[in-house]
Amino acid sequence: AQSVTQPDIHITVSEGASLELRCNYSYGATPYLFWYVQSPGQGLQLLLKYFSGDTLVQGIKGFEAEFKRSQSSFNLRKPSVHWSDAAEYFCAVGARADGLTFGKGTHLIIQP
Amino acid sequence: NAGVTQTPKFQVLKTGQSMTLQCAQDMNHNSMYWYRQDPGMGLRLIYYSASEGTTDKGEVPNGYNVSRLNKREFSLRLESAAPSQTSVYFCASPSLPGLAGGLSTGELFFGEGSRLTVL
Repeated sequence: AQSVTQPDIHITVSEGASLELRCNYSYGATPYLFWYVQSPGQGLQLLLKYFSGDTLVQGIKGFEAEFKRSQSSFNLRKPSVHWSDAAEYFCAVGARADGLTFGKGTHLIIQP
Repeated sequence: NAGVTQTPKFQVLKTGQSMTLQCAQDMNHNSMYWYRQDPGMGLRLIYYSASEGTTDKGEVPNGYNVSRLNKREFSLRLESAAPSQTSVYFCASPSLPGLAGGLSTGELFFGEGSRLTVL
């Protein structure tokens, strides 16, 4: 069975500092990997996705993620965070019609 | 939100009452999903429908029923609501129609969510 682990429930980062959110997955085949962001009271918005090819993928809002097969990881990064990045971030894995499996999320807090 | 519309946005029920959440997608794709979101639990799949006329259980199906009315609509029904079903519910559909064998190459587009409170 597929699974996703986001080890950090909460992360606090100062505005302007760099960010890395961790994601580890378990999947029986080549995974499709996703990062979603959810602002308070809002739905989910796709930040970026990995299907194949270049293991470093670029997304919206200045985010990027790197797929590392040997580590079963798909960590999300941003070089300099903005106060508007405060949100809940979800990593997800899946490649079949039975849907995506989501991690439990990481709550990002931005300190001024 | 990328062609996925769900109603209602908010609902308060008493224990034992029933209700149906409606979802419609205008992307003409085969697959549709219902997830629930609870604090600290992420999103968990309740039911999905890989194509018109088929439905399958996800991770947390107990207490729910679904109907794939046609290719466009996928409803979620609570026959006898319980406080444990207080949650935010999201309907979703893939960005691409999918390949043979059930493979999906697209991300999921989500509706705006339905916040359900069961007293």
